[in-house]
Amino acid sequence: QSVLTQPPSASGTPGQRVTISCSGSSSNIGGNTVNWYQQFPGTAPKVLISSNNQRPSGVPDRFSGSRSGTSASLAISGLHSEDEADYYCASWDDSLNAWLFGGGTKLTVL
Amino acid sequence: EVQLLESGGGLVQPGGSLRLSCAASGFSFSSFGMNWVRQAPGKGLEWVSYIYSSTNTIYYADSVKGRFTISRDNAKNSLYLQMNSLRDEDTAVYYCARARNPLSNFDYWGRGTLVTVSS
Repeated sequence: QSVLTQPPSASGTPGQRVTISCSGSSSNIGGNTVNWYQQFPGTAPKVLISSNNQRPSGVPDRFSGSRSGTSASLAISGLHSEDEADYYCASWDDSLNAWLFGGGTKLTVL
Repeated sequence: EVQLLESGGGLVQPGGSLRLSCAASGFSFSSFGMNWVRQAPGKGLEWVSYIYSSTNTIYYADSVKGRFTISRDNAKNSLYLQMNSLRDEDTAVYYCARARNPLSNFDYWGRGTLVTVSS
């Protein structure tokens, strides 16, 4: 099954704004919402953004999501060292009747 | 507090079988759909299967279709994954994750259980 396309890595310095992209197709991102998950080494993923741009309770407003056409983006403003983690996008695919995950982006805070 | 606890992982030979369980607590289990998601060592997340709250809707990833079977027992607040004809590439940490319906985000995750397929 195909995956959604994310850059394998991203980096920034504390206080900077970083964006992570997620590219899909009309059968997934183009027609369904996108969720973003954050995962620290050795721990389970946690939902960061749901329904393209909704932050669950407890997620800082430094994190924001957007979707346009068949692509989505996660933006982190005012980067903190504790934001260093792996980030995954996910979207339901209507053709496959399956959830697709992006390959993941490892964020490094320099 | 919502809690999901996976169990049943271990070492199994190629071609063998294993049954994973996920014990749920802290919420109305019968009202939520549930997923299995796996992560091979050093790799990204891969969705495996989804079962709706009433078991009448089930989806599988192509990579496991015909080999894995998802099921649930709402009376026991438990989710299961029967894995047959296991392959080396099924080696992964398997997480159970809650989702209200098929298109909902996975809002709670367990800690995972490691399955190793090796001779």
